[in-house]
Amino acid sequence: GDSVTQMEGPVTLSEEAFLTINCTYTATGYPSLFWYVQYPGEGLQLLLKATKADDKGSNKGFEATYRKETTSFHLEKGSVQVSDSAVYFCALTNSGGSNYKLTFGKGTLLTVNP
Amino acid sequence: EAQVTQNPRYLITVTGKKLTVTCSQNMNHEYMSWYRQDPGLGLRQIYYSMNVEVTDKGDVPEGYKVSRKEKRNFPLILESPSPNQTSLYFCASSLSIGAGRGYTFGSGTRLTVV
Repeated sequence: GDSVTQMEGPVTLSEEAFLTINCTYTATGYPSLFWYVQYPGEGLQLLLKATKADDKGSNKGFEATYRKETTSFHLEKGSVQVSDSAVYFCALTNSGGSNYKLTFGKGTLLTVNP
Repeated sequence: EAQVTQNPRYLITVTGKKLTVTCSQNMNHEYMSWYRQDPGLGLRQIYYSMNVEVTDKGDVPEGYKVSRKEKRNFPLILESPSPNQTSLYFCASSLSIGAGRGYTFGSGTRLTVV
């Protein structure tokens, strides 16, 4: 079945540092890829998405590029802020089935220190 | 404001006492789903519904029931809760079936079964 693997956390950075959170996937067909963010005590919010190969999703300074050849969707941000501290989930949905469920990675906790 | 509303936010109950977690969305979304989030396991789908009166099992449906009598509501029912159902639960909805569509999540219900 489909699966998502993302780098284990926690990740601790200083403010203005560069962020990369790695994400790779296994899926049949042509999945759509997502990054969700969960701030403390809140639900998940869609951060960005990409629906086909070579698409780049971007939002709030975060970017990720859909790389079919490496089955990856790494999340990057050039300069993180304390307010970016959260858990980040990589996820996919797959058009190969009827469910269109989100298959999630296990999440990466990011802490940004001032 | 477009949102998914879950109630209650926190619940402590005893083994075997039936409970219902409510979920309501005001966006006229067709697709709704329940997930549970556990440390080290990420989010796993419990049940989903593609429209009124259409529901189906996700990856971890044992011990849960759902119903979809109205488009806006998708309650999660635990007929006889057990301690292994202690978890953080999220309801999510999406406008329609489509691999590229993002989901809107509720704020979560933290359930403890003692």
